[in-house]
Amino acid sequence: EDQVTQSPEALRLQEGESSSLNCSYTVSGLRGLFWYRQDPGKGPEFLFTLYSAGEEKEKERLKATLTKKESFLHITAPKPEDSATYLCAVQAANSGYALNFGKGTSLLVTP
Amino acid sequence: DSGVTQTPKHLITATGQRVTLRCSPRSGDLSVYWYQQSLDQGLQFLIQYYNGEERAKGNILERFSAQQFPDLHSELNLSSLELGDSALYFCASSVGRVGNTIYFGEGSWLTVV
Repeated sequence: EDQVTQSPEALRLQEGESSSLNCSYTVSGLRGLFWYRQDPGKGPEFLFTLYSAGEEKEKERLKATLTKKESFLHITAPKPEDSATYLCAVQAANSGYALNFGKGTSLLVTP
Repeated sequence: DSGVTQTPKHLITATGQRVTLRCSPRSGDLSVYWYQQSLDQGLQFLIQYYNGEERAKGNILERFSAQQFPDLHSELNLSSLELGDSALYFCASSVGRVGNTIYFGEGSWLTVV
């Protein structure tokens, strides 16, 4: 059975304090690994899709990387507006196109 | 704005009742997904439709059903509602190819009292 585990569950950072969020996965036939950002009471907002080990993608202060067993979301010099829940999801060969989500990492960046 | 439209935004209903949630996908998207999000369970995949046909099924209860119409909009029907069905229900859409980005709507808040 496909599994997606995110850690830590919650993370508090000072503004400018860089860190990484982890997403470990086990899946039969990975078709894609997705990162989303979700603000309270809102729908998940797409950030990145990674397709194969070794791939990296960047957007502003965020950088996502992928290995065969896990993905990292690196946050460089975060700002308070980066506070949100970050969700990782996998798309597997046997799931149609549906995404299987982890429970997320709740990030709080304080001034 | 993701382009995925969901109605209603908020809904309060009593146990035992039936409700219908509606979703309009992004223009050009053929695939529609329904997800349930509760505080303790995270985002749970319910069901997916592609161009009017059911494509994949997740943890959808028998009391729940969905369909996708010829104009590609979708409806999620929830019946015999229980307190535990209170959650945020999301619709998402994509073109429908592997690896394509899946865009989420803003959700429908369902409260069962």
